[in-house]
Amino acid sequence: SALAQPASVSGSPGQSVTISCTGTSSDVGGYNYVSWYQQHPGKAPKLMIYDVTKRPSGVSNRFSGSKSGNTASLTISGLQADDEADYYCSSVTSSSSLKVFGGGTKLTVL
Amino acid sequence: EVQLVESGGGLIQPGGSLRLSCAVSGISIGGNFMSWVRQAPGKGLEYVSIMYTGGTTYYADSVEGRFTISRDNSQNTLYLQMNGLRADDTAIYYCARGPNADSWGQGTLVTVSS
Repeated sequence: SALAQPASVSGSPGQSVTISCTGTSSDVGGYNYVSWYQQHPGKAPKLMIYDVTKRPSGVSNRFSGSKSGNTASLTISGLQADDEADYYCSSVTSSSSLKVFGGGTKLTVL
Repeated sequence: EVQLVESGGGLIQPGGSLRLSCAVSGISIGGNFMSWVRQAPGKGLEYVSIMYTGGTTYYADSVEGRFTISRDNSQNTLYLQMNGLRADDTAIYYCARGPNADSWGQGTLVTVSS
């Protein structure tokens, strides 16, 4: 089943926000293979974080990932208007050969 | 630079078939893990099918037995053959590269409706 994410979060420019992604010991808690994607309206997803904490080349260091137990988190610091987008987490799972996604979180920059 | 370009989507009646293509440049698909991910209108992301470099394939339960992933290394193109299409297969279909899906195409829309 899908990983649990809050439907929406918001923050003001310059602030920090954290998006959570809660699973179980069969997915998020059992593996260090959590990824985060950013998706602007009408666009393809973009990889922002992989292997819980790693940033692909070209992704701003304002984006960081962490994990505690069965919950992974994406933190965006120094919020900018362009950060307004949908964010999805994904994890390897023992219950399938395919990764599972979270339901997505809409980030609004106030 | 890696580029992925999907094509083949369109309006199709329930029970019909479509073949999606993903033309890839900048890398050799034979040497890369590739996947198809879909997104129903207004909904989240869902892995549909994956192919390992060795050719092993896996499918979501919802498409098992109806969809087939394949590749043509000479054309550097990934395919998704979709048979027995249903209304709940309506979605944008993306191809993506790598186990972390670090590169995505722009997607192609499949609409299943009578």
